[in-house]
Amino acid sequence: QGQLVQSGGEVKKPGASVRVSCKGSGYTFASFGISWVRLAPGRGLEWLGWISAYNGNTEYSQKVQDRVTLTTEKSTGTAYMELRSLTSDDTALYFCARESLTRPGVDYFDVWGQGTMLTVSS
Amino acid sequence: SYVLTQPPSVSVASGKTARVTCGGNNLESKTVHWIQVRPGQAPVVVISHDRDRPSEIPARFSGFNSGNTATLTISSVEAGDEATYFCQVWDTSGDHYVFGPGTKVTVL
Repeated sequence: QGQLVQSGGEVKKPGASVRVSCKGSGYTFASFGISWVRLAPGRGLEWLGWISAYNGNTEYSQKVQDRVTLTTEKSTGTAYMELRSLTSDDTALYFCARESLTRPGVDYFDVWGQGTMLTVSS
Repeated sequence: SYVLTQPPSVSVASGKTARVTCGGNNLESKTVHWIQVRPGQAPVVVISHDRDRPSEIPARFSGFNSGNTATLTISSVEAGDEATYFCQVWDTSGDHYVFGPGTKVTVL
C-alpha cells in the first residue's frame, strides 16, 4: 500500500526558509507523484503544488509559486518542499500526499504523510 | 477561480445518518473527492471520484454528485466518524486543486 513519513515540526522566524521532507516506503517511489497541502486553523486545506517523482515535472499553486520549490531524490525515495520568505500566514500543518504520476488532478490522494507543523513567529 | 461551499457544521445522533453537502457551479462536470480530517491524524480520503469508496473505508460512507451539489452520506454514524470533512476538485481553468471550507461533523 505504501507509507509517507515526514520530517519533524519546525519553528522559524519571519523571512526565513524551511525545507520539509517526505520519505516514501512500501511502494515504487518513482511510479507516483506527490502533492503538498497545508491545513491552517480557520483557513482549511490549501494545495501548494505537485511533483512527478519520475521526472521531476512540477505544477505550483499561483498563490505560492514564487516562494515554493518542490524536488525529489529518487535514490532515497524522498520528496522535499522548500518554502521561502516565511510569514505568520504560513503557520500551518503541512502534508505530503501520493497521487497521479503524470499530472495533478487525475487521481485522488491515496496515501498521506503524518503532517509537519510549521510555526512562523518572531 | 472556482469556489466550493460547505455548511460549517453538521450534528447527528449516534446511529443516525449524516449528510454533508458540497456546492459548486456545475459541480457534476467535475470529479469530487471527500477528505476526512481528524485532529492529530493524517487525512484520509473516504470517497473518491464522486462515489467510489477506497477498500479500507466502511460501506457506511457513500457519495453522489449531481447538478451543483455533491453529497457525502455517512450511515449509522459512530463516534469515530467525528471529524471535519472537506470536498476537493481539480479546477481545470486554474490548473489547481480547490477545497471546500470544510464541515465539522459532531456526533451527539
